[in-house]
Order: sequence, then C-alpha cells, then structure tokens
Amino acid sequence: DVKVTQSSRYLVKRTGEKVFLECVQDMDHENMFWYRQDPGLGLRLIYFSYDVKMKEKGDIPEGYSVSREKKERFSLILESASTNQTSMYLCASGGLAGGPSSYNEQFFGPGTRLTVL
Amino acid sequence: AQSVSQHNHHVILSEAASLELGCNYSYGGTVNLFWYVQYPGQHLQLLLKYFSGDPLVKGIKGFEAEFIKSKFSFNLRKPSVQWSDTAEYFCAVNERYGNKLVFGAGTILRVKS
Repeated sequence: DVKVTQSSRYLVKRTGEKVFLECVQDMDHENMFWYRQDPGLGLRLIYFSYDVKMKEKGDIPEGYSVSREKKERFSLILESASTNQTSMYLCASGGLAGGPSSYNEQFFGPGTRLTVL
Repeated sequence: AQSVSQHNHHVILSEAASLELGCNYSYGGTVNLFWYVQYPGQHLQLLLKYFSGDPLVKGIKGFEAEFIKSKFSFNLRKPSVQWSDTAEYFCAVNERYGNKLVFGAGTILRVKS
C-alpha cells in the first residue's frame, strides 16, 4: 500500500510565525503536491515538485514556499503565517519514473489542519 | 485555465436511493478524469478513473462513471446508496500530458438510514 504521511494532524500557530509542514511518501513517486482544502472551494494546488530540488507554482502559491531535498520528502513552508492561511493542508504523491506521469493517480496523506491565531 | 464544476454542493438521499453526481470540465483537449472520495475523518482516496477506452468505468464499492466527451462531462453514479457512502466526493481532471490535477468544489453526500 502506498503511504503518504504528514508530520502533524493538527497544528495551532500564531500570526507571524514560520510554519513547516512535512510530507513523506514511500512509493518512489516522482511527483509530489501540496494542496489546501477549504469548504466549498475543493482542493487548490499550492506547489508541486516533479523531481528533487525542482518545484513549480500551483494556483495559489502566494505566502508559501516549498523544499524538496530528497525524493521522498516534500516540505511546505509558511514564512509568516496569517489568519487567512487557516486551512486543511493535503500532501499527495504520484507518478513513477519511466511512466507517463499524468496517467498515475495521486495518493493523498491524512492532512494537517492548521489554525493560525 | 481549466476548471471543473460539480453541480451540487450538498445532496441528501435515503438508503437504497439512486445517486448521480454531476461533473463538467472546461478543457477541450484530451484529458484524464478521476473521482475521489473522502469519508469522514479519512484520507482522500481514489474511487475510479478514466484514461481511455470504454467511456463507462467501474470503480470501488459499486460506483461507476460515464465519460461523455461531447458534453465535457464525467458523472458519477450508484444504483443504490448505503449509509456508509456518506462522504465528500470530488471530481478531478488533468490534461493528458500534464502533472496537475484540477479539482471541483466537492459534493457532500449524506445518506439517511
């Protein structure tokens, strides 16, 4: 079974704090993704990475950055947390080397519910 | 930019009723189509997917979906729902050679026992 794990299920931070969300996958997937999930808005892509040290902006990258130093690990960073970043954050991975990456579904972690006070 | 529309945000059904959740997408090229489900307190998981071939695809737990290219639609169906189908359902699309999935806003299904 594919496993995508996220460092915390629940996190409470204060405005202005730097926040790190970590994600690890164990299936040697090439691609990793960070989404935020808000009621009535579905999942919106923040950033994704298709290789180590490579990243691309998604639809809502403002206020976020990412880091992928190892293939299995993808971190989301909130440089200075704000209350409008209170949300559920989902990490996903998918795509195997040598295969048509778009054919592979994404596998999701359990999510981190972040509250910024 | 590509977009995905799910027609209903909340659906309430009684057990044994039939289900159809609508999904329309905007991209005119070749696409891959997915339905994901999120049960209360659980991970988002894949229900079914369409890449090519037979436009009627079957997924887990008795769900199926039909791809109608002319209507840019990929509606999810189940002939008889159960209480355990209570969940949020997301339609998602990606371009055939793209990495990114675009999700709809989700439909919350509540099945009354």
